[in-house]
Amino acid sequence: DTGVSQDPRHKITKRGQNVTFRCDPISEHNRLYWYRQTLGQGPEFLTYFQNEAQLEKSRLLSDRFSAERPKGSFSTLEIQRTEQGDSAMYLCASSRGLANYGYTFGSGTRLTVV
Amino acid sequence: GENVEQHPSTLSVQEGDSAVIKCTYSDSASNYFPWYKQELGKRPQLIIDIRSNVGEKKDQRIAVTLNKTAKHFSLHITETQPEDSAVYFCAASQTGANNLFFGTGTRLTVIP
Repeated sequence: DTGVSQDPRHKITKRGQNVTFRCDPISEHNRLYWYRQTLGQGPEFLTYFQNEAQLEKSRLLSDRFSAERPKGSFSTLEIQRTEQGDSAMYLCASSRGLANYGYTFGSGTRLTVV
Repeated sequence: GENVEQHPSTLSVQEGDSAVIKCTYSDSASNYFPWYKQELGKRPQLIIDIRSNVGEKKDQRIAVTLNKTAKHFSLHITETQPEDSAVYFCAASQTGANNLFFGTGTRLTVIP
């Protein structure tokens, strides 16, 4: 499968715990994006990488959130000290060019904080 | 920043009828408007997109129209089928932008 892969698909964690998600983009895509989707809402932009450089971060990305893409391939999104408001679907997407050339999304990681 | 509004939030149609979903945007600099389909538990998938240099684009049973003056764009699905049932999201972006601004989604149900 040459699509965007995300792991895990589901994560249940207790409030205050740290969680880390992984995204493997399409191999020839140099741009990688993280979005958050809450129930009944459209995806909201969190952050963007071009190769290994994190070039843009949304104000939604509080200091408890950190994202990396160490070798310009896979990316990780870590949430520290999780809160119930962090419960959402975390979507990763990749693209060959700018946003206006279309994304390919992964299936997401659904986080539930209890 | 850009604000995209989408209507209706839910839409039910009989199989074979047409469905229309409408979106408005606020930033006149936006010039790229994709539509994504998200089936339950699956990833959003790009189904059609339009750029501001055209007013309409069609792909089989799906078409998108754009009115830049009024800052709105619409998705039209003709001859709907049960497999068209899903949540549809519109989005907007600008040249050189790194992110998409999404609407809140429309849950389409096609009744057999």
